[in-house]
Amino acid sequence: GESVGLHLPTLSVQEGDNSIINCAYSNSASDYFIWYKQESGKGPQFIIDIRSNMDKRQGQRVTVLLNKTVKHLSLQIAATQPGDSAVYFCAERRDKIIFGKGTRLHILP
Amino acid sequence: DAGVIQSPRHEVTEMGQEVTLRCKPISGHDYLFWYRQTMMRGLELLIYFNNNVPIDDSGMPEDRFSAKMPNASFSTLKIQPSEPRDSAVYFCASSLSGISSTDTQYFGPGTRLTVL
Repeated sequence: GESVGLHLPTLSVQEGDNSIINCAYSNSASDYFIWYKQESGKGPQFIIDIRSNMDKRQGQRVTVLLNKTVKHLSLQIAATQPGDSAVYFCAERRDKIIFGKGTRLHILP
Repeated sequence: DAGVIQSPRHEVTEMGQEVTLRCKPISGHDYLFWYRQTMMRGLELLIYFNNNVPIDDSGMPEDRFSAKMPNASFSTLKIQPSEPRDSAVYFCASSLSGISSTDTQYFGPGTRLTVL
C-alpha cells in the first residue's frame, strides 16, 4: 500500500516561531521528494524538493531535511507567518508521485 | 500565464448522472495529470498524459471513469454514471516534463464534485 504519511495531522505554532513538519516514508527506492503547500480552496503549490543524494536543501525561509537512514523527511519554516497557514504535503517518487495525507499548520497570533 | 484552468469549480449532481470535468494546462507543458483528493485517501493520481497520449491510467478507479485529451490545450475527465462515493475534489496539473524528471507540477484550483 501507499507508504508516505505524516506524524501529526495538525500543528499549531506561534507566529514568529519556527515550524517543523515531519513525514515518514517506507520505500528506500524513492529517489526524489517534494513538499507542497495547499491553501484553502486552492490546489497544491510546490514549495521545495530534494533528491535522495542530498540530506539538506534550503529555500527562502524553508529548509528540507532528508534522513535516509530512518526514512524521514522534514520541512522547516523559519519565522512562521500568518500566510503560512495551510496544509502541507510531502510526496515521494518511485515509479510515480505518491502524496502523504497532509499536516494542517495553524498559526497562533 | 493564467496557470492551469479548471471548470467548473463546483459541481453538484445526482447519482447516476454524467459528470464532465475540464482542464486547460499551461501552454507548452507536455504532461497533464488528473488527481482526486479526499479526506480518507488524500491526493491520488488517476491518469496522466504525455503529448495528448494517456501514459498511465492505473489510478482510474473504475470503468465509469474516462479521460481524454483531444489536443494540447484541453482535457476532460468524465464520470458516467456518477455515484456518491465519487464526491471529492478533482485536480488537474501540468508540467514541462514527466514524473521521471524534477520539473514542477503546477496544479489547477480544482473542481469540487458532490454527488447526491
